[in-house]
Amino acid sequence: NAGVMQNPRHLVRRRGQEARLRCSPMKGHSHVYWYRQLPEEGLKFMVYLQKENIIDESGMPKERFSAEFPKEGPSILRIQQVVRGDSAAYFCASSIYRQAINSPLHFGNGTRLTVT
Amino acid sequence: ELKVEQNPLFLSMQEGKNYTIYCNYSTTSDRLYWYRQDPGKSLESLFVLLSNGAVKQEGRLMASLDTKARLSTLHITAAVHDLSATYFCAVDMRGETGTASKLTFGTGTRLQVTL
Repeated sequence: NAGVMQNPRHLVRRRGQEARLRCSPMKGHSHVYWYRQLPEEGLKFMVYLQKENIIDESGMPKERFSAEFPKEGPSILRIQQVVRGDSAAYFCASSIYRQAINSPLHFGNGTRLTVT
Repeated sequence: ELKVEQNPLFLSMQEGKNYTIYCNYSTTSDRLYWYRQDPGKSLESLFVLLSNGAVKQEGRLMASLDTKARLSTLHITAAVHDLSATYFCAVDMRGETGTASKLTFGTGTRLQVTL
Protein backbone atom coordinates (compact mmCIF):
# COMPACT_ATOMS: atom_id res chain seq x y z
CA ASN A 1 0.00 0.00 0.00
CA ALA A 2 1.73 3.12 -1.21
CA GLY A 3 1.97 5.98 1.22
CA VAL A 4 0.93 9.56 0.70
CA MET A 5 2.52 10.73 -2.55
CA GLN A 6 3.43 14.32 -3.14
CA ASN A 7 4.94 15.91 -6.21
CA PRO A 8 7.04 17.60 -7.11
CA ARG A 9 9.56 17.10 -4.30
CA HIS A 10 11.22 20.40 -5.09
CA LEU A 11 9.71 23.38 -6.87
CA VAL A 12 11.41 26.64 -7.76
CA ARG A 13 9.30 29.60 -8.83
CA ARG A 14 10.06 33.24 -9.52
CA ARG A 15 8.08 35.89 -7.71
CA GLY A 16 4.71 36.37 -9.35
CA GLN A 17 4.46 32.87 -10.83
CA GLU A 18 1.99 30.21 -9.82
CA ALA A 19 2.87 27.11 -7.82
CA ARG A 20 0.84 23.90 -7.99
CA LEU A 21 1.47 21.21 -5.43
CA ARG A 22 -0.08 17.76 -5.79
CA CYS A 23 -1.00 15.17 -3.20
CA SER A 24 -2.33 11.67 -3.72
CA PRO A 25 -3.61 10.23 -0.43
CA MET A 26 -3.05 6.69 0.72
CA LYS A 27 -5.29 4.17 -0.98
CA GLY A 28 -8.73 4.21 0.57
CA HIS A 29 -8.20 7.53 2.33
CA SER A 30 -10.72 10.21 1.53
CA HIS A 31 -9.51 12.94 3.90
CA VAL A 32 -6.60 15.18 3.02
CA TYR A 33 -4.82 17.80 5.11
CA TRP A 34 -2.24 20.37 4.03
CA TYR A 35 0.36 21.76 6.38
CA ARG A 36 3.13 24.30 5.88
CA GLN A 37 6.50 24.23 7.59
CA LEU A 38 8.68 27.30 7.60
CA PRO A 39 12.41 26.78 8.25
CA GLU A 40 13.18 25.87 11.85
CA GLU A 41 9.50 25.79 12.79
CA GLY A 42 6.78 23.25 13.41
CA LEU A 43 4.04 22.44 10.94
CA LYS A 44 1.10 24.81 10.67
CA PHE A 45 -2.33 23.59 9.59
CA MET A 46 -3.64 25.10 6.39
CA VAL A 47 -6.68 23.23 5.12
CA TYR A 48 -8.66 20.01 5.54
CA LEU A 49 -10.54 18.53 2.61
CA GLN A 50 -12.72 15.59 1.79
CA LYS A 51 -13.57 14.58 -1.74
CA GLU A 52 -15.06 17.64 -3.45
CA ASN A 53 -15.47 19.49 -0.14
CA ILE A 54 -13.42 21.90 1.89
CA ILE A 55 -14.10 21.09 5.55
CA ASP A 56 -11.81 23.54 7.34
CA GLU A 57 -9.70 26.21 5.68
CA SER A 58 -9.04 28.27 8.78
CA GLY A 59 -5.28 28.08 8.28
CA MET A 60 -5.24 29.21 4.67
CA PRO A 61 -4.17 32.75 3.83
CA LYS A 62 -7.18 34.65 2.51
CA GLU A 63 -5.55 35.61 -0.76
CA ARG A 64 -3.54 33.77 -3.40
CA PHE A 65 -3.96 30.33 -1.81
CA SER A 66 -6.56 27.76 -2.80
CA ALA A 67 -7.01 24.02 -2.43
CA GLU A 68 -9.17 21.40 -4.01
CA PHE A 69 -9.71 17.65 -3.81
CA PRO A 70 -11.71 16.61 -6.84
CA LYS A 71 -13.71 13.43 -7.18
CA GLU A 72 -10.99 12.01 -9.40
CA GLY A 73 -7.31 12.77 -9.13
CA PRO A 74 -5.01 14.24 -6.52
CA SER A 75 -5.56 17.10 -4.16
CA ILE A 76 -4.04 20.34 -5.42
CA LEU A 77 -2.71 23.23 -3.38
CA ARG A 78 -2.39 26.29 -5.61
CA ILE A 79 -0.46 29.41 -4.76
CA GLN A 80 -0.88 32.30 -7.15
CA GLN A 81 1.58 35.16 -7.56
CA VAL A 82 4.09 33.63 -5.20
CA VAL A 83 6.24 35.82 -2.95
CA ARG A 84 9.48 35.02 -1.12
CA GLY A 85 7.59 34.45 2.11
CA ASP A 86 5.83 31.47 0.52
CA SER A 87 9.12 29.57 0.49
CA ALA A 88 8.52 26.61 2.78
CA ALA A 89 7.96 22.88 2.89
CA TYR A 90 4.35 21.93 2.22
CA PHE A 91 3.24 18.61 3.62
CA CYS A 92 0.12 16.67 2.81
CA ALA A 93 -1.41 14.06 5.09
CA SER A 94 -4.34 11.71 4.72
CA SER A 95 -6.64 9.64 6.91
CA ILE A 96 -9.59 7.31 6.71
CA TYR A 97 -12.90 8.53 8.05
CA ARG A 98 -13.54 7.22 11.57
CA GLN A 99 -10.06 5.78 11.81
CA ALA A 100 -8.39 9.11 12.25
CA ILE A 101 -9.21 9.34 15.95
CA ASN A 102 -6.99 6.41 16.86
CA SER A 103 -4.47 6.70 14.10
CA PRO A 104 -1.83 9.29 13.46
CA LEU A 105 -1.96 11.25 10.27
CA HIS A 106 0.27 9.78 7.58
CA PHE A 107 2.38 12.46 5.98
CA GLY A 108 3.86 12.60 2.52
CA ASN A 109 7.48 13.55 1.86
CA GLY A 110 6.55 17.14 1.23
CA THR A 111 7.14 19.66 -1.53
CA ARG A 112 9.86 22.17 -0.87
CA LEU A 113 8.96 25.42 -2.56
CA THR A 114 11.63 28.00 -3.18
CA VAL A 115 10.64 31.41 -4.48
CA THR A 116 13.45 33.37 -6.08
CA GLU B 1 -6.39 29.51 20.33
CA LEU B 2 -4.54 26.33 21.17
CA LYS B 3 -0.88 26.78 21.96
CA VAL B 4 1.60 23.94 22.13
CA GLU B 5 5.02 24.55 23.62
CA GLN B 6 7.98 22.25 23.77
CA ASN B 7 11.13 22.51 25.74
CA PRO B 8 13.93 22.45 25.32
CA LEU B 9 14.11 23.71 21.74
CA PHE B 10 17.57 22.28 21.33
CA LEU B 11 19.17 19.44 23.20
CA SER B 12 22.68 18.18 22.88
CA MET B 13 23.35 15.03 24.83
CA GLN B 14 26.02 12.39 25.02
CA GLU B 15 25.42 8.82 24.05
CA GLY B 16 24.29 6.74 26.96
CA LYS B 17 22.62 9.60 28.82
CA ASN B 18 18.92 10.01 29.68
CA TYR B 19 16.79 13.05 29.08
CA THR B 20 13.18 14.21 28.87
CA ILE B 21 11.46 16.47 26.37
CA TYR B 22 8.37 18.31 27.60
CA CYS B 23 5.25 19.28 25.70
CA ASN B 24 2.71 21.64 27.28
CA TYR B 25 -0.56 22.61 25.68
CA SER B 26 -3.09 25.24 26.56
CA THR B 27 -6.57 23.73 26.13
CA THR B 28 -8.29 20.47 26.91
CA SER B 29 -7.43 17.62 24.61
CA ASP B 30 -7.11 13.90 25.10
CA ARG B 31 -5.20 13.12 21.95
CA LEU B 32 -1.55 13.80 21.55
CA TYR B 33 0.97 12.56 19.02
CA TRP B 34 4.73 12.47 18.87
CA TYR B 35 6.53 12.64 15.55
CA ARG B 36 10.15 12.43 14.49
CA GLN B 37 11.57 14.40 11.57
CA ASP B 38 15.01 13.92 10.05
CA PRO B 39 16.50 16.86 8.13
CA GLY B 40 14.81 17.32 4.77
CA LYS B 41 12.46 14.42 5.41
CA SER B 42 8.83 13.91 6.26
CA LEU B 43 7.35 13.20 9.66
CA GLU B 44 7.43 9.72 11.11
CA SER B 45 4.78 8.84 13.67
CA LEU B 46 6.23 7.65 16.97
CA PHE B 47 3.39 7.54 19.49
CA VAL B 48 -0.35 8.08 19.73
CA LEU B 49 -1.55 8.94 23.25
CA LEU B 50 -5.30 8.88 23.66
CA SER B 51 -6.11 9.09 27.36
CA ASN B 52 -4.97 10.47 30.66
CA GLY B 53 -2.15 8.40 32.09
CA ALA B 54 -1.32 6.78 28.76
CA VAL B 55 2.24 5.53 28.56
CA LYS B 56 3.82 4.01 25.50
CA GLN B 57 7.33 2.74 24.91
CA GLU B 58 9.25 1.87 21.80
CA GLY B 59 12.92 1.02 22.13
CA ARG B 60 14.74 3.83 23.93
CA LEU B 61 11.78 6.21 23.75
CA MET B 62 8.88 6.40 26.17
CA ALA B 63 5.98 8.85 25.95
CA SER B 64 3.37 9.71 28.54
CA LEU B 65 0.32 11.94 28.76
CA ASP B 66 -1.17 13.81 31.71
CA THR B 67 -4.32 15.49 30.45
CA LYS B 68 -5.02 17.20 33.77
CA ALA B 69 -1.66 18.92 33.71
CA ARG B 70 -1.90 19.31 29.91
CA LEU B 71 1.56 17.83 29.69
CA SER B 72 3.21 15.11 27.68
CA THR B 73 6.76 13.90 28.05
CA LEU B 74 9.09 12.04 25.73
CA HIS B 75 11.79 10.29 27.69
CA ILE B 76 14.99 9.14 26.06
CA THR B 77 16.91 6.34 27.74
CA ALA B 78 20.58 5.68 27.02
CA ALA B 79 20.63 7.84 23.91
CA VAL B 80 22.36 6.67 20.75
CA HIS B 81 23.46 8.71 17.75
CA ASP B 82 20.64 7.34 15.57
CA LEU B 83 18.14 9.21 17.72
CA SER B 84 19.46 12.54 16.47
CA ALA B 85 16.47 14.26 14.83
CA THR B 86 13.81 16.87 15.54
CA TYR B 87 10.92 15.68 17.68
CA PHE B 88 7.49 17.27 17.52
CA CYS B 89 4.47 16.84 19.70
CA ALA B 90 1.10 17.61 18.17
CA VAL B 91 -2.28 18.06 19.81
CA ASP B 92 -5.49 17.15 18.08
CA MET B 93 -8.51 19.41 18.29
CA ARG B 94 -11.40 17.09 17.64
CA GLY B 95 -13.63 18.11 14.77
CA GLU B 96 -17.38 18.21 15.00
CA THR B 97 -17.68 14.89 13.22
CA GLY B 98 -15.47 13.23 15.80
CA THR B 99 -12.68 12.66 13.36
CA ALA B 100 -9.35 14.33 13.50
CA SER B 101 -9.76 17.87 12.35
CA LYS B 102 -6.35 19.40 12.57
CA LEU B 103 -3.17 19.06 14.53
CA THR B 104 -1.43 21.89 16.30
CA PHE B 105 2.28 21.22 16.42
CA GLY B 106 4.80 22.24 18.99
CA THR B 107 7.88 24.18 18.01
CA GLY B 108 9.98 21.04 17.93
CA THR B 109 13.01 19.87 19.89
CA ARG B 110 16.16 19.38 17.91
CA LEU B 111 18.06 16.52 19.50
CA GLN B 112 21.72 16.00 18.83
CA VAL B 113 23.35 12.94 20.32
CA THR B 114 27.11 13.13 20.43
CA LEU B 115 29.66 10.39 20.91
